[in-house]
Amino acid sequence: QQQVKQSPQSLIVQKGGISIINCAYENTAFDYFPWYQQFPGKGPALLIAIRPDVSEKKEGRFTISFNKSAKQFSLHIMDSQPGDSATYFCAASKKEGAQKLVFGQGTRLTINP
Amino acid sequence: DGGITQSPKYLFRKEGQNVTLSCEQNLNHDAMYWYRQDPGQGLRLIYYSQIVNDFQKGDIAEGYSVSREKKESFPLTVTSAQKNPTAFYLCASSRGGGQPQHFGDGTRLSIL
Repeated sequence: QQQVKQSPQSLIVQKGGISIINCAYENTAFDYFPWYQQFPGKGPALLIAIRPDVSEKKEGRFTISFNKSAKQFSLHIMDSQPGDSATYFCAASKKEGAQKLVFGQGTRLTINP
Repeated sequence: DGGITQSPKYLFRKEGQNVTLSCEQNLNHDAMYWYRQDPGQGLRLIYYSQIVNDFQKGDIAEGYSVSREKKESFPLTVTSAQKNPTAFYLCASSRGGGQPQHFGDGTRLSIL
């Protein structure tokens, strides 16, 4: 019930294309869903986050789509650039109390120039 | 600049030795967290602290210990009881429940 399953494990996209990473969760008590971007040798950086009261959130080229009934959420990167090449993690937690994030396994994204 | 500082960047442990990883934040955040990152497994929570002088075990606390004597500091000790300590250790902080977590740049621990 605490797992967050992320796919694919790795992804290669051409420059200018759309990168899509998917996550699924089981615990219906989760109500905060962030995405993190991590470059080699660095800590993860918060990219964008969503709460289940909305189905989509967009910030620049990054969009989270959220499907509460299916317990799935996804990250879309529009017009993917070589600088977007990194590892992406989805996560989930309950909003109240200690924010114990449960992370997906990560997706290594490579954008080919 | 406000942020989270982890030190050292690289650390080596001998068999039977305890080592301590440092985490300091100047963001005035109440909550602090320690995660372990292994290839292909994402990040797993070791310990977390919501206020000074209080901390709770996460999902993989065995073989680790922490203290929270100051708001800005949350050191992690990897004890000799942790049989597989080789990993990338990440410290994070947040203003509290429901607020975004900010991460340091990690300490990579290896066994000699």
